Amino acid sequence: SQQGEEDPQALSIQEGENATMNCSYKTSINNLQWYRQNSGRGLVHLILIRSNEREKHSGRLRVTLDTSKKSSSLLITASRAADTASYFCATTDMDSSYKLIFGSGTRLLVRP
Amino acid sequence: NAGVTQTPKFQVLKTGQSMTLQCAQDMNHEYMSWYRQDPGMGLRLIHYSVGAGITDQGEVPNGYNVSRSTTEDFPLRLLSAAPSQTSVYFCASSGRTGGREQYFGPGTRLTVT
Repeated sequence: SQQGEEDPQALSIQEGENATMNCSYKTSINNLQWYRQNSGRGLVHLILIRSNEREKHSGRLRVTLDTSKKSSSLLITASRAADTASYFCATTDMDSSYKLIFGSGTRLLVRP
Repeated sequence: NAGVTQTPKFQVLKTGQSMTLQCAQDMNHEYMSWYRQDPGMGLRLIHYSVGAGITDQGEVPNGYNVSRSTTEDFPLRLLSAAPSQTSVYFCASSGRTGGREQYFGPGTRLTVT
């Protein structure tokens, strides 16, 4: 079964707006990662946050992690049409830092 | 570097046929894995390997077989294809250094009729 549930399942925003996606997971984790998937393509790693970190930034991306609530959020600021994609969170647990368990994803549409 | 490569890109099989999906990486990564992605869903782990000669099962291993004879290659074998195995298959690899982020291949779209 999937580790994470993502919310919302789909999101449509105007170019220039911010997009926020949320991820909840079930078990204790080693780290949480976010990936992007353009339609029909492979996944691309965006950002990784470790279990002892609360916030991380990379360019227009901001990720937060709340281990007490077992949840994470991905914020994309000043969105562009090129950000249109599906976004997945994935976790590794304490027993295996290699095995990734994925959430079901959020489909983001950025309208020009 | 080519990164992670997968062949073929597309494949159609009849029920009961067998085939091998190829995956190779040129980054000297010790960890490799196979996922399947069904429509509108995230990826589910089929099998993984933490090094040459070592493989283990993921969430959905039934009907699939793997081996890892070299660091570079990690083929996935479908023993007797079933329509339920219609999916997109992704191979990924990860190195020892860094945060263990994974690098994905472009995928193989498999249809079983």
